[in-house]
Amino acid sequence: EDQVTQSPEALRLQEGESSSLNCSYTVSGLRGLFWYRQDPGKGPEFLFTLYSAGEEKEKERLKATLTKKESFLHITAPKPEDSATYLCAVQGDYGQNFVFGPGTRLSVLP
Amino acid sequence: SAVISQKPSRDICQRGTSLTIQCQVDSQVTMMFWYRQQPGQSLTLIATANQGSEATYESGFVIDKFPISRPNLTFSTLTVSNMSPEDSSIYLCSVRQGVVGELFFGEGSRLTVL
Repeated sequence: EDQVTQSPEALRLQEGESSSLNCSYTVSGLRGLFWYRQDPGKGPEFLFTLYSAGEEKEKERLKATLTKKESFLHITAPKPEDSATYLCAVQGDYGQNFVFGPGTRLSVLP
Repeated sequence: SAVISQKPSRDICQRGTSLTIQCQVDSQVTMMFWYRQQPGQSLTLIATANQGSEATYESGFVIDKFPISRPNLTFSTLTVSNMSPEDSSIYLCSVRQGVVGELFFGEGSRLTVL
């Protein structure tokens, strides 16, 4: 059974303090690993798709990386507007459905 | 990416009643899904809405409780039937072009059952 865990559950950073969020997964053949941002009361917003180990994607202050067992979302010099819950999901070879992790709740203090 | 509109955005309902949530997409999409997000939790797939046929439900979800319609490639509805307080959640419509690739989500419908 495909599984996704995320750590930490919650993270508080000072503005400008870089850090990383972890997504660990178990899947029978990886079709894709996906990162989303979710603001309170809103639907998830798509950020990145990673398909194979070694792949990296960047968008503004965010950079996502992928290994065979986990993915990291690196946040460089975060700003308060980066505060949100970050969700990781995987799609395995044997199913069309996504499995979502529990999310990491990020707070960036000014 | 597709623009996905959901109605209502929020509602407060009485126990035992039913509510239908609408999802409208601005372009034709192959795959449409309905998710539930309970307070403080991540997303759980309810069902895949299949155009022109019955929806495919995940374990723990049944058609009598969550009937779904998908009359065409841009529209779907989810009904939450005979509601109880345990049904209080955010219900999310999502779409994907094809079997693989990223999902895109609507803004969600926040349902509170008293």
